[in-house]
Amino acid sequence: AQSVTQLDSQVPVFEEAPVELRCNYSSSVSVYLFWYVQYPNQGLQLLLKYLSGSTLVKSINGFEAEFNKSQTSFHLRKPSVHISDTAEYFCALSGGGRRALTFGSGTRLQVQP
Amino acid sequence: SAVISQKPSRDICQRGTSLTIQCQVDSQVTMMFWYRQQPGQSLTLIATANQGSEATYESGFVIDKFPISRPNLTFSTLTVSNMSPEDSSIYLCSVGASGANVLTFGAGSRLTVL
Repeated sequence: AQSVTQLDSQVPVFEEAPVELRCNYSSSVSVYLFWYVQYPNQGLQLLLKYLSGSTLVKSINGFEAEFNKSQTSFHLRKPSVHISDTAEYFCALSGGGRRALTFGSGTRLQVQP
Repeated sequence: SAVISQKPSRDICQRGTSLTIQCQVDSQVTMMFWYRQQPGQSLTLIATANQGSEATYESGFVIDKFPISRPNLTFSTLTVSNMSPEDSSIYLCSVGASGANVLTFGAGSRLTVL
């Protein structure tokens, strides 16, 4: 069975501060890893993905995540957050021939001025 | 990536009634997925809708409660039957193009059951 754990349900942070949202996974097979973002009252959008190759992946709006196989982690980081980054962030995985995603419980990032 | 249209975007329903949610994709896709997001919760997979065959349901979800149709490669429906307040959720359609590992999600259908 596959699972995703997001240990932090809420992360309050001040604007321009760095942030890390933690994601750990469990799987007996190779996985693909994803971060999705859900802005208030909006749908789910893909933020970034790790499929293969470089373990460090980046989004167009300054987020990055690093796949760490030994730690079974895929933490999301941003060196300086903006008010507009306030949203729910979901870590997800697929693999083992299964296309459907398994989601973590989500982390609510609240950026304060 | 594919563009997904879901209807209705939101609805308020009476207990005991049924509602059908439509998912239309602007391109042909092999696999479509239906997810549920209960208030304040994460997304849970309900079923995989396969064109030309019965949907595959996840543990805890049954066809009688959530019948699914997939008449072609661009369209699917999910019906929430005999609704109760516990069915109040956002229901999302998701698709993955052949050969790609990324899923795209519709905006969701927010159902409130009174």
